[in-house]
Amino acid sequence: AQSVAQPEDQVNVAEGNPLTVKCTYSVSGNPYLFWYVQYPNRGLQFLLKYITGDNLVKGSYGFEAEFNKSQTSFHLKKPSALVSDSALYFCAVRGRKESNDYKLSFGAGTTVTVRA
Amino acid sequence: DARVTQTPRHKVTEMGQEVTMRCQPILGHNTVFWYRQTMMQGLELLAYFRNRAPLDDSGMPKDRFSAEMPDATLATLKIQPSEPRDSAVYFCASGLAGQTDQPQHFGDGTRLSIL
Repeated sequence: AQSVAQPEDQVNVAEGNPLTVKCTYSVSGNPYLFWYVQYPNRGLQFLLKYITGDNLVKGSYGFEAEFNKSQTSFHLKKPSALVSDSALYFCAVRGRKESNDYKLSFGAGTTVTVRA
Repeated sequence: DARVTQTPRHKVTEMGQEVTMRCQPILGHNTVFWYRQTMMQGLELLAYFRNRAPLDDSGMPKDRFSAEMPDATLATLKIQPSEPRDSAVYFCASGLAGQTDQPQHFGDGTRLSIL
């Protein structure tokens, strides 16, 4: 079985400060990992993914994520947050052994609020 | 930009009425997912299809919900009869099976309110 935990319901930061959204995962074997962002009244938008290779993955809107196999984590980061980054963020995982299934397991989401 | 299109965007109806939500997946995508999002339960997978055939609908209440893909360009989710507890945002997502390292692409959802 595959699962994702996002330990923080909410993250609050000041504009210009670094932003980190935490995610840990559980899968059989190696994972495919994804981050999505959801703005109000919109669907989930893909931000970035980890498949293989470099542990630091760069994505849209200046976001990056660091894959840590030993800690089974995939934290989302942005060096300098903007007010417009305020949104709901989801981490998702798919195990390679389950790859034929194509289903993603999503975390509960973390609401990010960036104050001006 | 290719997009998943969902209609209607909003639906308000009375308890007991039939509700039909529609989804047009991205052209060429052969896997379609239906999700439900609520404050209490978060994002739940209801059902998904590959090549128009249902692969898993274990997340869906069978007595009132049904999901179909009449053709490759249309997926439908029906609720009959609807109940207030069905109020939620319903999302459709599509992808290309075989490209398992690729993300699913989501529509903007149908916001359903059952009075």
